[in-house]
Amino acid sequence: AQSVAQPEDQVNVAEGNPLTVKCTYSVSGNPYLFWYVQYPNRGLQFLLKYITGDNLVKGSYGFEAEFNKSQTSFHLKKPSALVSDSALYFCAVRVSRGGTYKYIFGTGTRLKVLA
Amino acid sequence: EPEVTQTPSHQVTQMGQEVILRCVPISNHLYFYWYRQILGQKVEFLVSFYNNEISEKSEIFDDQFSVERPDGSNFTLKIRSTKLEDSAMYFCASILSQGREKLFFGSGTQLSVL
Repeated sequence: AQSVAQPEDQVNVAEGNPLTVKCTYSVSGNPYLFWYVQYPNRGLQFLLKYITGDNLVKGSYGFEAEFNKSQTSFHLKKPSALVSDSALYFCAVRVSRGGTYKYIFGTGTRLKVLA
Repeated sequence: EPEVTQTPSHQVTQMGQEVILRCVPISNHLYFYWYRQILGQKVEFLVSFYNNEISEKSEIFDDQFSVERPDGSNFTLKIRSTKLEDSAMYFCASILSQGREKLFFGSGTQLSVL
Protein backbone atom coordinates (compact mmCIF):
# COMPACT_ATOMS: atom_id res chain seq x y z
CA ALA A 1 0.00 0.00 0.00
CA GLN A 2 1.19 3.52 -0.72
CA SER A 3 1.80 5.53 2.41
CA VAL A 4 3.86 8.07 4.26
CA ALA A 5 5.17 7.75 7.78
CA GLN A 6 6.10 10.43 10.25
CA PRO A 7 7.95 8.66 13.06
CA GLU A 8 7.85 11.54 15.55
CA ASP A 9 4.65 12.72 17.20
CA GLN A 10 6.40 15.82 18.48
CA VAL A 11 9.64 17.68 17.86
CA ASN A 12 10.94 20.30 20.27
CA VAL A 13 13.59 22.76 19.20
CA ALA A 14 14.99 25.97 20.63
CA GLU A 15 14.38 29.18 18.73
CA GLY A 16 17.27 29.91 16.38
CA ASN A 17 18.31 26.28 16.13
CA PRO A 18 17.92 24.21 12.97
CA LEU A 19 14.89 21.94 12.81
CA THR A 20 14.14 18.68 11.02
CA VAL A 21 10.78 16.96 10.77
CA LYS A 22 11.07 13.46 9.37
CA CYS A 23 9.02 11.72 6.72
CA THR A 24 9.48 8.45 4.89
CA TYR A 25 7.37 7.19 2.05
CA SER A 26 6.33 3.99 0.35
CA VAL A 27 5.03 4.42 -3.17
CA SER A 28 5.28 2.66 -6.48
CA GLY A 29 6.82 4.69 -9.27
CA ASN A 30 8.07 8.23 -8.91
CA PRO A 31 6.73 9.90 -5.79
CA TYR A 32 4.97 13.25 -5.67
CA LEU A 33 5.66 14.44 -2.14
CA PHE A 34 4.34 17.38 -0.16
CA TRP A 35 4.53 19.13 3.16
CA TYR A 36 1.54 20.91 4.67
CA VAL A 37 1.30 22.92 7.88
CA GLN A 38 -1.72 23.32 10.14
CA TYR A 39 -2.08 26.16 12.62
CA PRO A 40 -4.69 25.93 15.40
CA ASN A 41 -8.29 26.01 14.17
CA ARG A 42 -7.18 26.27 10.55
CA GLY A 43 -7.09 24.01 7.53
CA LEU A 44 -3.89 22.59 6.11
CA GLN A 45 -1.70 24.99 4.15
CA PHE A 46 0.68 23.99 1.39
CA LEU A 47 4.37 24.47 2.23
CA LEU A 48 6.31 22.80 -0.56
CA LYS A 49 6.40 19.92 -2.99
CA TYR A 50 8.80 17.57 -4.74
CA ILE A 51 7.87 16.37 -8.19
CA THR A 52 11.15 15.93 -10.01
CA GLY A 53 14.53 17.59 -10.40
CA ASP A 54 16.66 19.04 -7.64
CA ASN A 55 16.51 16.96 -4.47
CA LEU A 56 16.41 20.06 -2.29
CA VAL A 57 13.18 21.96 -2.67
CA LYS A 58 12.42 25.31 -1.12
CA GLY A 59 9.04 26.40 0.10
CA SER A 60 7.17 28.97 2.12
CA TYR A 61 8.36 30.62 5.35
CA GLY A 62 12.00 29.57 4.82
CA PHE A 63 11.29 25.85 4.89
CA GLU A 64 12.99 23.38 2.62
CA ALA A 65 12.85 19.64 2.19
CA GLU A 66 15.34 17.09 0.99
CA PHE A 67 14.25 14.20 -1.18
CA ASN A 68 16.39 11.10 -0.74
CA LYS A 69 15.43 8.28 -3.07
CA SER A 70 17.74 5.66 -1.59
CA GLN A 71 16.37 6.25 1.90
CA THR A 72 12.81 6.92 0.67
CA SER A 73 12.74 10.02 2.80
CA PHE A 74 11.51 13.57 2.43
CA HIS A 75 12.52 15.40 5.59
CA LEU A 76 11.41 18.97 6.24
CA LYS A 77 14.10 21.38 7.39
CA LYS A 78 14.66 24.96 8.38
CA PRO A 79 18.05 26.45 9.26
CA SER A 80 16.78 28.66 12.08
CA ALA A 81 13.50 27.98 13.84
CA LEU A 82 11.08 30.67 14.93
CA VAL A 83 8.52 30.46 17.74
CA SER A 84 5.88 31.18 15.09
CA ASP A 85 6.83 27.93 13.31
CA SER A 86 5.13 26.02 16.11
CA ALA A 87 2.35 24.07 14.40
CA LEU A 88 1.32 20.64 13.18
CA TYR A 89 3.18 19.45 10.09
CA PHE A 90 1.96 16.82 7.65
CA CYS A 91 3.86 14.97 4.99
CA ALA A 92 1.76 13.76 2.07
CA VAL A 93 2.07 11.71 -1.08
CA ARG A 94 -0.06 11.97 -4.17
CA VAL A 95 -1.26 8.65 -5.53
CA SER A 96 -3.19 7.99 -8.69
CA ARG A 97 -5.93 5.56 -9.49
CA GLY A 98 -7.95 5.43 -12.64
CA GLY A 99 -6.75 8.79 -13.86
CA THR A 100 -7.56 10.78 -10.74
CA TYR A 101 -5.45 11.57 -7.74
CA LYS A 102 -5.78 11.55 -4.01
CA TYR A 103 -3.42 12.76 -1.33
CA ILE A 104 -2.44 10.49 1.53
CA PHE A 105 -1.26 12.25 4.66
CA GLY A 106 1.03 11.10 7.40
CA THR A 107 -0.04 11.13 11.02
CA GLY A 108 1.44 14.57 11.62
CA THR A 109 4.29 15.90 13.73
CA ARG A 110 3.73 18.65 16.24
CA LEU A 111 6.61 21.12 16.17
CA LYS A 112 7.22 23.17 19.28
CA VAL A 113 9.77 25.95 19.05
CA LEU A 114 10.80 27.15 22.47
CA ALA A 115 11.83 30.74 23.12
CA GLU B 1 -5.08 34.12 -2.13
CA PRO B 2 -8.36 32.40 -2.96
CA GLU B 3 -10.03 30.43 -0.20
CA VAL B 4 -12.16 27.37 0.29
CA THR B 5 -15.08 28.25 2.58
CA GLN B 6 -16.75 25.79 4.92
CA THR B 7 -19.90 26.19 6.98
CA PRO B 8 -20.74 25.77 9.75
CA SER B 9 -17.50 25.98 11.69
CA HIS B 10 -19.04 23.87 14.48
CA GLN B 11 -21.94 21.44 14.35
CA VAL B 12 -23.37 19.61 17.33
CA THR B 13 -25.87 16.84 16.68
CA GLN B 14 -27.52 13.90 18.36
CA MET B 15 -26.59 10.37 17.39
CA GLY B 16 -28.80 9.13 14.58
CA GLN B 17 -29.47 12.58 13.15
CA GLU B 18 -28.56 13.68 9.65
CA VAL B 19 -26.00 16.41 9.11
CA ILE B 20 -24.95 18.30 6.02
CA LEU B 21 -21.56 19.93 5.90
CA ARG B 22 -21.15 22.63 3.30
CA CYS B 23 -18.19 23.77 1.30
CA VAL B 24 -17.67 26.39 -1.37
CA PRO B 25 -14.54 25.43 -3.30
CA ILE B 26 -12.45 27.94 -5.21
CA SER B 27 -14.52 28.97 -8.18
CA ASN B 28 -12.52 27.58 -11.10
CA HIS B 29 -11.39 24.40 -9.36
CA LEU B 30 -12.52 21.09 -10.80
CA TYR B 31 -11.54 18.42 -8.28
CA PHE B 32 -12.93 18.24 -4.79
CA TYR B 33 -12.15 16.25 -1.68
CA TRP B 34 -13.39 15.59 1.80
CA TYR B 35 -10.96 14.64 4.56
CA ARG B 36 -11.49 14.23 8.25
CA GLN B 37 -9.19 14.70 11.20
CA ILE B 38 -9.77 12.95 14.50
CA LEU B 39 -8.48 14.33 17.78
CA GLY B 40 -6.49 16.98 15.98
CA GLN B 41 -4.08 14.49 14.54
CA LYS B 42 -4.41 12.03 11.68
CA VAL B 43 -5.90 13.35 8.43
CA GLU B 44 -7.94 10.68 6.66
CA PHE B 45 -9.13 10.67 3.06
CA LEU B 46 -12.87 10.22 2.67
CA VAL B 47 -13.80 10.89 -0.95
CA SER B 48 -12.76 12.61 -4.15
CA PHE B 49 -15.21 14.10 -6.63
CA TYR B 50 -14.88 15.21 -10.23
CA ASN B 51 -17.29 15.93 -13.03
CA ASN B 52 -20.27 15.43 -10.76
CA GLU B 53 -19.35 11.99 -9.64
CA ILE B 54 -17.25 10.25 -7.05
CA SER B 55 -13.76 9.41 -8.32
CA GLU B 56 -12.67 7.41 -5.31
CA LYS B 57 -13.85 6.75 -1.79
CA SER B 58 -12.28 5.20 1.27
CA GLU B 59 -13.60 2.42 3.46
CA ILE B 60 -14.76 5.07 5.91
CA PHE B 61 -17.12 6.47 3.28
CA ASP B 62 -19.87 3.90 3.70
CA ASP B 63 -23.55 4.07 2.78
CA GLN B 64 -24.19 6.64 5.51
CA PHE B 65 -22.10 9.17 3.61
CA SER B 66 -22.91 10.99 0.40
CA VAL B 67 -21.59 13.97 -1.51
CA GLU B 68 -23.08 16.21 -4.09
CA ARG B 69 -22.51 19.45 -5.92
CA PRO B 70 -26.06 20.66 -6.26
CA ASP B 71 -25.59 24.03 -7.91
CA GLY B 72 -22.13 24.26 -9.41
CA SER B 73 -20.66 26.11 -6.46
CA ASN B 74 -21.49 24.30 -3.23
CA PHE B 75 -20.01 20.90 -2.44
CA THR B 76 -21.75 19.09 0.39
CA LEU B 77 -21.04 16.08 2.57
CA LYS B 78 -24.09 14.42 4.10
CA ILE B 79 -24.00 11.93 6.92
CA ARG B 80 -27.37 10.26 7.00
CA SER B 81 -27.42 8.82 10.51
CA THR B 82 -24.55 10.05 12.61
CA LYS B 83 -22.63 7.84 15.00
CA LEU B 84 -20.49 8.84 17.96
CA GLU B 85 -17.37 7.88 16.02
CA ASP B 86 -18.23 10.38 13.29
CA SER B 87 -17.12 13.15 15.67
CA ALA B 88 -14.18 14.78 13.93
CA MET B 89 -13.02 17.85 12.08
CA TYR B 90 -14.11 17.61 8.45
CA PHE B 91 -12.08 19.41 5.81
CA CYS B 92 -13.07 20.20 2.28
CA ALA B 93 -10.30 20.69 -0.28
CA SER B 94 -10.15 21.59 -3.94
CA ILE B 95 -7.60 21.69 -6.70
CA LEU B 96 -7.66 23.38 -10.08
CA SER B 97 -6.70 20.37 -12.14
CA GLN B 98 -4.87 17.08 -11.82
CA GLY B 99 -1.83 18.67 -13.38
CA ARG B 100 -1.58 21.07 -10.45
CA GLU B 101 -0.43 19.84 -7.11
CA LYS B 102 -1.47 22.40 -4.56
CA LEU B 103 -4.53 21.38 -2.60
CA PHE B 104 -6.44 24.23 -1.04
CA PHE B 105 -8.15 23.39 2.26
CA GLY B 106 -11.03 25.04 4.04
CA SER B 107 -10.86 25.79 7.76
CA GLY B 108 -12.99 22.81 8.58
CA THR B 109 -16.25 21.93 10.33
CA GLN B 110 -15.91 20.48 13.82
CA LEU B 111 -18.66 17.86 14.12
CA SER B 112 -19.60 16.68 17.58
CA VAL B 113 -22.03 13.76 17.83
CA LEU B 114 -23.59 13.36 21.27
